[in-house]
Amino acid sequence: SAVISQKPSRDICQRGTSLTIQCQVDSQVTMMFWYRQQPGQSLTLIATANQGSEATYESGFVIDKFPISRPNLTFSTLTVSNMSPEDSSIYLCSVEVIGYNEQFFGPGTRLTVL
Amino acid sequence: GEDVEQSLFLSVREGDSSVINCTYTDSSSTYLYWYKQEPGAGLQLLTYIFSNMDMKQDQRLTVLLNKKDKHLSLRIADTQTGDSAIYFCAESDADTGRRALTFGSGTRLQVQP
Repeated sequence: SAVISQKPSRDICQRGTSLTIQCQVDSQVTMMFWYRQQPGQSLTLIATANQGSEATYESGFVIDKFPISRPNLTFSTLTVSNMSPEDSSIYLCSVEVIGYNEQFFGPGTRLTVL
Repeated sequence: GEDVEQSLFLSVREGDSSVINCTYTDSSSTYLYWYKQEPGAGLQLLTYIFSNMDMKQDQRLTVLLNKKDKHLSLRIADTQTGDSAIYFCAESDADTGRRALTFGSGTRLQVQP
């Protein structure tokens, strides 16, 4: 398996500000993804974080709102920009470890926007 | 696009078996997964099955796959109160290069003592 950490674990932010979430994994991974889980809902893919190039975004998500970086195989950041209360969610990163078919999830970042 | 559906709620008594069902629409699904999410926690991978398998057993967990009907189930034997959680099924389609997961809505399992 893989040990995945996310920072911060939770935050309360004001409308109009931005928050950057970090995801660090202890193994070299092939793929890293960012998901959103709105209150009481399932998980929705935001984007695939590509090493050294622009992330691949799903329909309904754009780079200006959710810029993503992935400078190396074990680290990625997701920024939630110009936040509104509708952005209140749990944001989770997941990874697929080289040589395995399993996908593992970080503990999530619980974001509340006032 | 892909669609994955689950029933929303299941209640069982401690010691009974639980069966959580999932249907999916993507006929090219390669891997199908079961995750567990306890309140306030992240997702824990329980097990997964490759699409060319019919069944996979891991201790108290049994996964059954009916590829013809696109139906996946998770059976938990001797269900305990610690099994109370939300269970998500998810699928990926490695053949098309889509490694990200499509999730079902989640089934909330309540285990009554």
